[in-house]
Amino acid sequence: DTAVSQTPKYLVTQMGNDKSIKCEQNLGHDTMYWYKQDSKKFLKIMFSYNNKELIINETVPNRFSPKSPDKAHLNLHINSLELGDSAVYFCASSSQVAVYNEQFFGPGTRLTVL
Amino acid sequence: AQSVTQPDIHITVSEGASLELRCNYSYGATPYLFWYVQSPGQGLQLLLKYFSGDTLVQGIKGFEAEFKRSQSSFNLRKPSVHWSDAAEYFCAVGQPLSGGYNKLIFGAGTRLAVHP
Repeated sequence: DTAVSQTPKYLVTQMGNDKSIKCEQNLGHDTMYWYKQDSKKFLKIMFSYNNKELIINETVPNRFSPKSPDKAHLNLHINSLELGDSAVYFCASSSQVAVYNEQFFGPGTRLTVL
Repeated sequence: AQSVTQPDIHITVSEGASLELRCNYSYGATPYLFWYVQSPGQGLQLLLKYFSGDTLVQGIKGFEAEFKRSQSSFNLRKPSVHWSDAAEYFCAVGQPLSGGYNKLIFGAGTRLAVHP
């Protein structure tokens, strides 16, 4: 019973391609997040959705577009991939949009752009 | 803006030894503080959190952390480290946003290696 799942786990692609990463949570949470972890392990939030509504949108290039078809899913689509997009992308969810609620993280998707 | 500093990039301890991982934060009001652990190839798991009250917080896997306002610190400790504790440890602070929302600001992480 995976709480937060992501697909694929590994993604290797060429520069200029378009790719998507999918995230699903079965915890009944109403808030989901995307984080990017770079090669130095630095973790930074990219987006957050609450009940399918975008609530956090950091200074991320507009080549990155999150899509939330329902509360349980938050997908990340990336257009025109660049070398600098290589990173591990983590999806997370929490029960409320409140800082004191634990965020549950998925296993990550390692994206490599060649 | 809030920030989190983890001064130690890499720490190595012997199994059975005590451990302290340092975390300093920058925030004007009472912070919401967290410690997460990331095992190799895995996502992040919450070890413990502090919001208010007792400044010594107990977490999972035998970890504890102490909030010290005067030092702007939230150091993570464990009295006896096990080989399975080898992982990356992240300190984070919650940053409130308009509309009642918030986000987590993470430190750069400390990689813990455990010698047998």
